[in-house]
Amino acid sequence: SQKIEQNSEALNIQEGKTATLTCNYTNYSPAYLQWYRQDPGRGPVFLLLIRENEKEKRKERLKVTFDTTLKQSLFHITASQPADSATYLCAPDGGSGNTGKLIFGQGTTLQVKP
Amino acid sequence: DGGITQSPKYLFRKEGQNVTLSCEQNLNHDAMYWYRQDPGQGLRLIYYSQIVNDFQKGDIAEGYSVSREKKESFPLTVTSAQKNPTAFYLCASRGLGQPQHFGDGTRLSIL
Repeated sequence: SQKIEQNSEALNIQEGKTATLTCNYTNYSPAYLQWYRQDPGRGPVFLLLIRENEKEKRKERLKVTFDTTLKQSLFHITASQPADSATYLCAPDGGSGNTGKLIFGQGTTLQVKP
Repeated sequence: DGGITQSPKYLFRKEGQNVTLSCEQNLNHDAMYWYRQDPGQGLRLIYYSQIVNDFQKGDIAEGYSVSREKKESFPLTVTSAQKNPTAFYLCASRGLGQPQHFGDGTRLSIL
């Protein structure tokens, strides 16, 4: 069955540093991969989508990479701020055999300390 | 403004009762989803629907039921067969090949 793994331990970094979060998937060949942010007690909010033919995508201080050979996506937040503290979820999607089902990794909680 | 509305925000259920969680969207999306989230855990897929009058089981469908009679609405019933229903329930919708839009969730507790 499809499996998505994100770092289950919280990531604690100092303000101004770069945070790097990992998403690994198995038994899956997604056409694209999505990243979401979730704040406590709220629904996730979409951040970025990267397609299989894109190696890297940027949006302001965010950067996502997608390596279909390694079956891995990396999510970077540069010049991190305390307001970036949240849980970040990845969701591989699309691809052959896709039934419309969308499942998420368990998320990585980021804490940015001032 | 377009979006997804989940109601109520907080819901309490007595033992042996069925309860229905509402999810409405005005984004004209074909696909809708229900997820369950337990404290400190990720999202687990309960049911999803890609078109009106059709839906599929997700990974944890036992003890739940859904209907999709209208494009805008995808209510979730938590039945008495669900032995551990206390959780945060999230509804989402999306257009073809597009990211999901989520509601703000319903927190269900057992009295």
